[in-house]
Amino acid sequence: QTVVTQEPSLTVSPGGTVTLTCASSTGAVTSGYYPNWFQQKPGQAPRALIYSTSYKHSWTPARFSGSLLGGKAALTLSGVQPEDEAEYYCLLYYGDAQRVFGGGTKLTVL
Amino acid sequence: EVQLVESGGGLVQPGGSLRLSCAASGFTFSSYDMHWVRQATGKRLEWVSTIDTAGDTYYPGSVKGRFTISRENVKNSLYLQMNSLGAGDTAVYYCVRGSAYSAWGQGTLVTVSS
Repeated sequence: QTVVTQEPSLTVSPGGTVTLTCASSTGAVTSGYYPNWFQQKPGQAPRALIYSTSYKHSWTPARFSGSLLGGKAALTLSGVQPEDEAEYYCLLYYGDAQRVFGGGTKLTVL
Repeated sequence: EVQLVESGGGLVQPGGSLRLSCAASGFTFSSYDMHWVRQATGKRLEWVSTIDTAGDTYYPGSVKGRFTISRENVKNSLYLQMNSLGAGDTAVYYCVRGSAYSAWGQGTLVTVSS
């Protein structure tokens, strides 16, 4: 059973920078896992932010960026805004066409 | 405007069946892989199934053999036939577009309970 692990919760001050990570139980995450990142606010459907490690959708704010960091996928928010408070999920693609979501990171802006 | 509208959710008894539908509009439906993703209350997102543009289908072990994803391109519609439902299948089910998961429906709630 493949497990994708994210930090359960993080807190950041407005205007600060925070990095969320996404690890795979199978080993280092590479670009071949095509990491995706999603934002979900209470009562809403998820919204896609990043695909294929670092590509942004047209609606993704510039302060969001995706990368690989220390064997994990990473989502960095620079200049955090109060409206960035949300749950963030990563999704990894595995070679046998399986997809696994991470457990989510609850980001608090305080 | 891209729109995905799910329907067909509701209350079903354990062991029962349900068919979800997703009506797509605002894009060339046949050109995109499509997915179903679910989320139990307070829980993580869970990938449920994928159908690619060629009609090939993929499932995780938790639903393989019980769920069937299908598409009808002429009707711009995606379906999920769910059989042998159990309490663990209770969730909001989302229809999602493409390999970049760029568009999500609002979800339809499936409740499995006696």
